Amino acid sequence: GEDVEQSLFLSVREGDSSVINCTYTDSSSTYLYWYKQEPGAGLQLLTYIFSNMDMKQDQRLTVLLNKKDKHLSLRIADTQTGDSAIYFCAEKGTSYDKVIFGPGTSLSVIP
Amino acid sequence: DTEVTQTPKHLVMGMTNKKSLKCEQHMGHRAMYWYKQKAKKPPELMFVYSYEKLSINESVPSRFSPECPNSSLLNLHLHALQPEDSALYLCASSQGQGQGNQPQHFGDGTRLSIL
Repeated sequence: GEDVEQSLFLSVREGDSSVINCTYTDSSSTYLYWYKQEPGAGLQLLTYIFSNMDMKQDQRLTVLLNKKDKHLSLRIADTQTGDSAIYFCAEKGTSYDKVIFGPGTSLSVIP
Repeated sequence: DTEVTQTPKHLVMGMTNKKSLKCEQHMGHRAMYWYKQKAKKPPELMFVYSYEKLSINESVPSRFSPECPNSSLLNLHLHALQPEDSALYLCASSQGQGQGNQPQHFGDGTRLSIL
């Protein structure tokens, strides 16, 4: 079945880079997404990558995809305290209406 | 600012009350979703409406009743809820055109507490 895994916690110092990792099982996934959730808020779509791409960069965010290993990562350069949040990796499932979410990685940024 | 608007932001209700959660989007999206999210957990899909028809019901108890009056609006009617139903209820929408990139856009949710 479809499954998405992430490490649950990550702590970094302000100004350092953060790397959040994700693995997924569905080899037919076409799109993979990163969402950010701040306390008390909904999910904010940060970025996404199509499965025929290896990398996508968007300002401080870099997404790397290793399709062979079914491994996705999100790198945040120059991490700021405002980046403290839960980050969800998600894949578009085989049913076009469903998205499979990982458990979320709680990022803490130390000033 | 989110383009999916949910009301109310907070709701406290007793187990015998009837209330409704509302969601609105004006992005022309044709798929709308209800999710339930417990603290520190990922969202759990409850219902999907595609072109105003219910396409997915993830075995949700009948005390939750969804309604899609038109392509911009989605309601969730609540009746006789249990304390374990206390959670953040998120609405989302996407283009709903089948294949292709269809990221879901989320509202800020309704924080529901059942007394």
